[in-house]
Amino acid sequence: DSGVTQTPKHLITATGQRVTLRCSPRSGDLSVYWYQQSLDQGLQFLIQYYNGEERAKGNILERFSAQQFPDLHSELNLSSLELGDSALYFCASSVRGDTQETQYFGPGTRLLVL
Amino acid sequence: GQQVMQIPQYQHVQEGEDFTTYCNSSTTLSNIQWYKQRPGGHPVFLIQLVKSGEVKKQKRLTFQFGEAKKNSSLHITATQTTDVGTYFCAGKTLGRLYFGRGTQLTVWP
Repeated sequence: DSGVTQTPKHLITATGQRVTLRCSPRSGDLSVYWYQQSLDQGLQFLIQYYNGEERAKGNILERFSAQQFPDLHSELNLSSLELGDSALYFCASSVRGDTQETQYFGPGTRLLVL
Repeated sequence: GQQVMQIPQYQHVQEGEDFTTYCNSSTTLSNIQWYKQRPGGHPVFLIQLVKSGEVKKQKRLTFQFGEAKKNSSLHITATQTTDVGTYFCAGKTLGRLYFGRGTQLTVWP
Protein backbone atom coordinates (compact mmCIF):
# COMPACT_ATOMS: atom_id res chain seq x y z
CA ASP A 1 0.00 0.00 0.00
CA SER A 2 1.61 3.23 -1.22
CA GLY A 3 -0.57 5.54 0.85
CA VAL A 4 -2.03 7.13 -2.28
CA THR A 5 -5.75 6.54 -2.74
CA GLN A 6 -7.78 6.81 -5.90
CA THR A 7 -11.49 6.61 -6.48
CA PRO A 8 -13.32 5.08 -8.15
CA LYS A 9 -11.46 1.85 -8.93
CA HIS A 10 -13.50 1.19 -12.03
CA LEU A 11 -15.64 3.44 -14.20
CA ILE A 12 -17.75 2.54 -17.18
CA THR A 13 -19.33 5.31 -19.19
CA ALA A 14 -20.43 6.22 -22.68
CA THR A 15 -18.86 8.34 -25.40
CA GLY A 16 -19.52 12.02 -25.00
CA GLN A 17 -19.86 11.83 -21.25
CA ARG A 18 -17.80 13.52 -18.55
CA VAL A 19 -16.17 11.86 -15.54
CA THR A 20 -14.13 12.95 -12.55
CA LEU A 21 -11.33 10.88 -11.06
CA ARG A 22 -10.18 11.59 -7.55
CA CYS A 23 -6.80 11.21 -5.89
CA SER A 24 -5.60 11.69 -2.32
CA PRO A 25 -1.81 11.89 -2.00
CA ARG A 26 0.27 10.38 0.77
CA SER A 27 0.18 12.30 4.00
CA GLY A 28 2.75 15.09 3.77
CA ASP A 29 3.17 14.95 0.00
CA LEU A 30 2.56 18.28 -1.69
CA SER A 31 2.82 17.19 -5.31
CA VAL A 32 0.41 15.14 -7.36
CA TYR A 33 0.96 13.68 -10.82
CA TRP A 34 -1.56 12.18 -13.22
CA TYR A 35 -0.69 9.47 -15.73
CA GLN A 36 -2.61 7.61 -18.39
CA GLN A 37 -1.63 4.03 -19.14
CA SER A 38 -2.95 2.33 -22.23
CA LEU A 39 -1.81 -0.76 -24.09
CA ASP A 40 -0.60 1.12 -27.15
CA GLN A 41 0.85 4.25 -25.52
CA GLY A 42 2.38 2.95 -22.33
CA LEU A 43 2.59 5.24 -19.29
CA GLN A 44 1.97 8.82 -20.38
CA PHE A 45 2.48 11.79 -18.08
CA LEU A 46 -0.52 14.11 -18.13
CA ILE A 47 -0.04 16.86 -15.57
CA GLN A 48 1.59 17.72 -12.25
CA TYR A 49 0.41 19.94 -9.41
CA TYR A 50 2.39 21.22 -6.48
CA ASN A 51 0.66 22.72 -3.46
CA GLY A 52 -2.37 23.71 -5.48
CA GLU A 53 -0.57 25.13 -8.48
CA GLU A 54 0.03 23.55 -11.85
CA ARG A 55 3.75 22.75 -12.16
CA ALA A 56 4.17 20.76 -15.35
CA LYS A 57 2.08 19.71 -18.28
CA GLY A 58 2.55 16.63 -20.37
CA ASN A 59 0.44 14.99 -23.04
CA ILE A 60 -2.86 16.18 -21.63
CA LEU A 61 -5.70 16.73 -24.08
CA GLU A 62 -7.71 19.95 -24.03
CA ARG A 63 -10.77 17.86 -23.13
CA PHE A 64 -9.02 16.92 -19.89
CA SER A 65 -8.41 19.20 -16.94
CA ALA A 66 -7.20 18.81 -13.40
CA GLN A 67 -6.93 20.72 -10.19
CA GLN A 68 -5.45 20.33 -6.74
CA PHE A 69 -7.48 21.55 -3.81
CA PRO A 70 -6.32 23.23 -0.56
CA ASP A 71 -6.45 19.88 1.24
CA LEU A 72 -4.05 18.64 -1.50
CA HIS A 73 -6.36 16.08 -3.01
CA SER A 74 -6.63 16.29 -6.77
CA GLU A 75 -9.25 15.65 -9.39
CA LEU A 76 -8.83 14.81 -13.05
CA ASN A 77 -11.80 15.76 -15.20
CA LEU A 78 -12.27 14.01 -18.53
CA SER A 79 -14.95 15.38 -20.83
CA SER A 80 -16.42 14.58 -24.26
CA LEU A 81 -15.10 11.09 -23.75
CA GLU A 82 -14.02 9.01 -26.72
CA LEU A 83 -13.43 5.28 -27.06
CA GLY A 84 -9.70 5.93 -27.12
CA ASP A 85 -9.82 7.44 -23.64
CA SER A 86 -10.34 3.97 -22.20
CA ALA A 87 -7.27 3.38 -20.08
CA LEU A 88 -5.88 3.05 -16.60
CA TYR A 89 -5.39 6.43 -14.95
CA PHE A 90 -2.81 6.62 -12.20
CA CYS A 91 -2.19 9.31 -9.68
CA ALA A 92 1.19 9.55 -7.99
CA SER A 93 2.49 11.79 -5.26
CA SER A 94 5.82 13.02 -3.96
CA VAL A 95 6.94 15.32 -1.20
CA ARG A 96 8.28 18.35 -3.05
CA GLY A 97 7.53 17.67 -6.70
CA ASP A 98 11.19 17.41 -7.61
CA THR A 99 11.75 15.01 -10.50
CA GLN A 100 14.56 13.40 -8.52
CA GLU A 101 12.09 12.24 -5.92
CA THR A 102 10.43 8.89 -5.71
CA GLN A 103 6.87 8.96 -6.94
CA TYR A 104 4.35 6.84 -5.06
CA PHE A 105 1.60 5.53 -7.29
CA GLY A 106 -2.00 4.92 -6.35
CA PRO A 107 -3.90 1.78 -7.39
CA GLY A 108 -5.36 3.50 -10.44
CA THR A 109 -8.81 4.04 -11.90
CA ARG A 110 -9.73 1.83 -14.81
CA LEU A 111 -11.91 3.76 -17.25
CA LEU A 112 -13.90 2.03 -19.94
CA VAL A 113 -15.68 4.17 -22.52
CA LEU A 114 -18.34 2.34 -24.50
CA GLY B 1 7.96 11.64 -29.60
CA GLN B 2 9.28 9.17 -27.08
CA GLN B 3 12.19 10.73 -25.19
CA VAL B 4 13.23 7.55 -23.42
CA MET B 5 13.27 4.35 -25.45
CA GLN B 6 13.12 1.01 -23.70
CA ILE B 7 13.76 -2.44 -25.15
CA PRO B 8 12.71 -5.15 -25.42
CA GLN B 9 8.96 -4.65 -25.14
CA TYR B 10 8.45 -8.26 -24.10
CA GLN B 11 10.73 -10.92 -22.66
CA HIS B 12 9.86 -14.51 -21.89
CA VAL B 13 12.35 -16.51 -19.87
CA GLN B 14 12.46 -19.78 -18.03
CA GLU B 15 12.90 -19.62 -14.29
CA GLY B 16 16.58 -19.45 -13.50
CA GLU B 17 17.56 -17.60 -16.67
CA ASP B 18 18.84 -14.05 -16.61
CA PHE B 19 16.94 -11.01 -17.88
CA THR B 20 18.02 -7.55 -19.00
CA THR B 21 16.08 -4.49 -20.07
CA TYR B 22 17.66 -1.39 -21.59
CA CYS B 23 16.76 2.28 -21.71
CA ASN B 24 18.21 4.86 -24.06
CA SER B 25 17.83 8.58 -24.41
CA SER B 26 19.06 10.88 -27.16
CA THR B 27 19.64 13.58 -24.56
CA THR B 28 21.63 13.46 -21.34
CA LEU B 29 19.60 12.37 -18.36
CA SER B 30 19.87 14.07 -14.99
CA ASN B 31 18.84 10.88 -13.27
CA ILE B 32 17.04 7.66 -14.03
CA GLN B 33 14.52 5.79 -11.94
CA TRP B 34 13.30 2.23 -12.26
CA TYR B 35 9.81 1.02 -11.42
CA LYS B 36 8.14 -2.37 -11.38
CA GLN B 37 4.47 -2.96 -12.09
CA ARG B 38 3.03 -6.34 -11.23
CA PRO B 39 0.13 -7.61 -13.38
CA GLY B 40 -2.98 -5.74 -12.30
CA GLY B 41 -0.97 -3.49 -10.01
CA HIS B 42 0.54 -0.05 -10.00
CA PRO B 43 4.14 1.06 -10.63
CA VAL B 44 6.35 0.72 -7.58
CA PHE B 45 9.64 2.56 -7.24
CA LEU B 46 12.73 0.33 -7.24
CA ILE B 47 15.76 2.62 -7.38
CA GLN B 48 17.24 5.87 -8.63
CA LEU B 49 20.62 6.38 -10.28
CA VAL B 50 22.19 9.82 -10.48
CA LYS B 51 25.92 9.54 -11.10
CA SER B 52 27.66 8.74 -14.37
CA GLY B 53 28.66 5.07 -14.47
CA GLU B 54 26.76 4.31 -11.28
CA VAL B 55 25.98 0.69 -10.47
CA LYS B 56 23.59 -0.35 -7.73
CA LYS B 57 22.51 -3.79 -6.63
CA GLN B 58 19.40 -5.04 -4.90
CA LYS B 59 19.78 -8.77 -4.27
CA ARG B 60 19.47 -10.33 -7.76
CA LEU B 61 18.83 -6.98 -9.48
CA THR B 62 21.69 -4.88 -10.87
CA PHE B 63 21.07 -1.37 -12.15
CA GLN B 64 23.56 0.56 -14.27
CA PHE B 65 23.71 4.15 -15.46
CA GLY B 66 25.88 4.75 -18.51
CA GLU B 67 29.01 6.88 -18.48
CA ALA B 68 27.37 9.41 -20.80
CA LYS B 69 24.17 9.35 -18.70
CA LYS B 70 22.17 8.52 -21.81
CA ASN B 71 21.44 4.89 -21.13
CA SER B 72 20.64 2.54 -18.31
CA SER B 73 20.01 -1.12 -17.78
CA LEU B 74 18.36 -3.43 -15.29
CA HIS B 75 19.69 -6.97 -15.07
CA ILE B 76 18.02 -9.74 -13.08
CA THR B 77 20.10 -12.81 -12.31
CA ALA B 78 18.42 -16.20 -12.05
CA THR B 79 14.85 -15.02 -12.50
CA GLN B 80 12.07 -16.29 -10.27
CA THR B 81 8.33 -16.39 -10.88
CA THR B 82 8.00 -13.50 -8.44
CA ASP B 83 9.93 -11.32 -10.88
CA VAL B 84 6.98 -11.33 -13.30
CA GLY B 85 5.77 -7.85 -14.22
CA THR B 86 6.56 -4.82 -16.31
CA TYR B 87 9.74 -2.90 -15.61
CA PHE B 88 9.80 0.79 -16.45
CA CYS B 89 12.64 3.22 -16.57
CA ALA B 90 11.97 6.93 -16.11
CA GLY B 91 14.59 9.49 -17.00
CA LYS B 92 14.72 13.18 -16.26
CA THR B 93 15.55 15.20 -19.36
CA LEU B 94 14.42 18.50 -20.84
CA GLY B 95 13.03 19.42 -17.42
CA ARG B 96 10.64 16.50 -17.18
CA LEU B 97 10.50 12.88 -16.17
CA TYR B 98 9.88 10.60 -19.15
CA PHE B 99 8.83 6.98 -18.75
CA GLY B 100 9.96 4.28 -21.12
CA ARG B 101 7.31 1.99 -22.61
CA GLY B 102 8.33 -0.77 -20.24
CA THR B 103 9.51 -4.34 -20.65
CA GLN B 104 6.96 -6.99 -19.79
CA LEU B 105 8.71 -9.97 -18.22
CA THR B 106 7.13 -13.41 -18.18
CA VAL B 107 8.83 -16.19 -16.26
CA TRP B 108 7.98 -19.84 -16.94
CA PRO B 109 8.33 -22.17 -13.97
